[in-house]
Amino acid sequence: AQSVTQLGSHVSVSEGALVLLRCNYSSSVPPYLFWYVQYPNQGLQLLLKYTSAATLVKGINGFEAEFKKSETSFHLTKPSAHMSDAAEYFCAVSRSGGSNYKLTFGKGTLLTVNP
Amino acid sequence: DTEVTQTPKHLVMGMTNKKSLKCEQHMGHRAMYWYKQKAKKPPELMFVYSYEKLSINESVPSRFSPECPNSSLLNLHLHALQPEDSALYLCASSQDQGHEQYFGPGTRLTVT
Repeated sequence: AQSVTQLGSHVSVSEGALVLLRCNYSSSVPPYLFWYVQYPNQGLQLLLKYTSAATLVKGINGFEAEFKKSETSFHLTKPSAHMSDAAEYFCAVSRSGGSNYKLTFGKGTLLTVNP
Repeated sequence: DTEVTQTPKHLVMGMTNKKSLKCEQHMGHRAMYWYKQKAKKPPELMFVYSYEKLSINESVPSRFSPECPNSSLLNLHLHALQPEDSALYLCASSQDQGHEQYFGPGTRLTVT
């Protein structure tokens, strides 16, 4: 079975501050890991993905995430928050390979950015 | 182009109505998905189509009926829905099962 835990349902930062959103996963096989962002009343947008290549993954809008197998973590970071980063962020895991593919989401973290 | 389109954007229907949600992608993806999302919750998987065949049904009530007419289109037929079915319905597609999914903007459904 696979699962994702996002630590902190709500994170608040000041504009220009570091953004750190935490994600820990559980998977019995090598995982594929994803971060998605959802703005109000919109669909989910893929920020970045880890599929067993480089452990430091760079995504869109200045975000990056590092896969740490020893810590079963895939935390999302951005050096300097912008007001437009305010949104809901979801970490997700799937199994590599297999015929019954399923994307398992964490509960989400709401990021607010204060001026 | 990584666009998935969904129509309509909003839908209000009564409990006796029949309506359909539509989803389209032109990325050549062979897997397509329907999700249901309630407010402040993550998306919940409903159905997965792989190469136009239903491969996963997450024990969804029969009042929801998916259809995949071809590799670019995915429909969700709705009949006799309940007020608790009100939600954002998201469509997604991926190159194949196991690859990253691209989501549409969703249909906001309200059942009265």
